[in-house]
Amino acid sequence: EADIYQTPRYLVIGTGKKITLECSQTMGHDKMYWYQQDPGMELHLIHYSYGVNSTEKGDLSSESTVSRIRTEHFPLTLESARPSHTSQYLCASSEVGGSTDTQYFGPGTRLTVL
Amino acid sequence: GESVGLHLPTLSVQEGDNSIINCAYSNSASDYFIWYKQESGKGPQFIIDIRSNMDKRQGQRVTVLLNKTVKHLSLQIAATQPGDSAVYFCAEKERFGQNFVFGPGTRLSVLP
Repeated sequence: EADIYQTPRYLVIGTGKKITLECSQTMGHDKMYWYQQDPGMELHLIHYSYGVNSTEKGDLSSESTVSRIRTEHFPLTLESARPSHTSQYLCASSEVGGSTDTQYFGPGTRLTVL
Repeated sequence: GESVGLHLPTLSVQEGDNSIINCAYSNSASDYFIWYKQESGKGPQFIIDIRSNMDKRQGQRVTVLLNKTVKHLSLQIAATQPGDSAVYFCAEKERFGQNFVFGPGTRLSVLP
């Protein structure tokens, strides 16, 4: 079992609200990721980070933002939630420079915007 | 049998039979491949990986086969059990690539 945690697990919120999805890992991994996954669909990378103070946009355009102030935390923020943001958000982490790039995933946050 | 569902292709197998889940990739520069298992309500979980200098790798009850000529990856699960029911994703990455690209996934349904 990977030591990567996401809160909340489920969130139902109204349009226009600001939300932050938390992700933390205790493995000391430098690289962290956020993926968006619609039900029954593949994962799309929306943000990643190589380490503290590093953030990069992924392959899928997203209105969310991320920050990496501490190695273990990689929160994702939506300034103004909309129904189109309804999805599952998965956080992952991996070593940098290790023999493999295996990503370890958290359990996900299922977000519903009404 | 195998069918294409609304979102995911689905593979239904009898408990105890062997399962074969396939993944086609298009990037000839892909060097590293991983199979993930995602159970309902959970994040993907690492199953097995393989590098492009190998064509077969075995784990516990699982085998991954890589055919670089036709850009095809498969996951074989021996003696499929009800706990194997999940969605299975393949992921690929180039040698010096930044990130993985995930395939569309296959839902494995184990029948009693």
